[in-house]
Amino acid sequence: EVHLVESGGGLVQPGGSLRISCSASGFSFSSFGMHWVRQAPGKGLEHVSVIGSNGDSTYYADSVKGRFIISRDNLKNTLYLQMSSLRTEDTAVYYCVKDAFWTGRGWFDSWGQGTLVTVSS
Amino acid sequence: EIVLTQSPATLSLSPGERATLSCRASQNVVSYLAWYQQKPGQAPRLLIYDVFNRATGIPARFSGGGSGTDFTLTISSLEPEDFAIYYCHQRSNWFPTFGQGTRLEIK
Repeated sequence: EVHLVESGGGLVQPGGSLRISCSASGFSFSSFGMHWVRQAPGKGLEHVSVIGSNGDSTYYADSVKGRFIISRDNLKNTLYLQMSSLRTEDTAVYYCVKDAFWTGRGWFDSWGQGTLVTVSS
Repeated sequence: EIVLTQSPATLSLSPGERATLSCRASQNVVSYLAWYQQKPGQAPRLLIYDVFNRATGIPARFSGGGSGTDFTLTISSLEPEDFAIYYCHQRSNWFPTFGQGTRLEIK
């Protein structure tokens, strides 16, 4: 069974930085693309970033480009999102999501429970 | 960016009734359209991928249809556990997007 566990969320001041992580188990992590999807309180879903299975290809939403970096460690079965220059509008639950394909161009077949990032002074 | 517009925003029905949810894309997404269900306090769950394929463990009362720019999710006979928010999602390029969601509530 696929298991995705996010960690590292918390309260951070505007302009600050934070790194969140996702520990994966129950599948061959190095064989699948992975995503971060966020959901602001009471709002809908927003795709943040995707990384291919080997980490060579990454894409970002315009809203986070230049501020967030997605990465992965296939030996540790862990996905990361390094967030910097954080803004109040980045406040959201961040979900770690497994893609159906190695490219990261598939549907989102498994989701973690999310970690809450709150950007506030 | 491909915009997905879901309708209605809220759908009020009773258990046993048939639900039809719509998702319209601003551009042709071919067959790269999926549906997710989200219950309060939970992560979204994949229901349907590539228009009409049910994900593992999804009951047969859930079905999807459409092509190009117009898609539907149908729940043939609502069960109490089906009342939730439903999102459509397109993956036709490197910038996937979601619809704003349809809230299915008990009438």
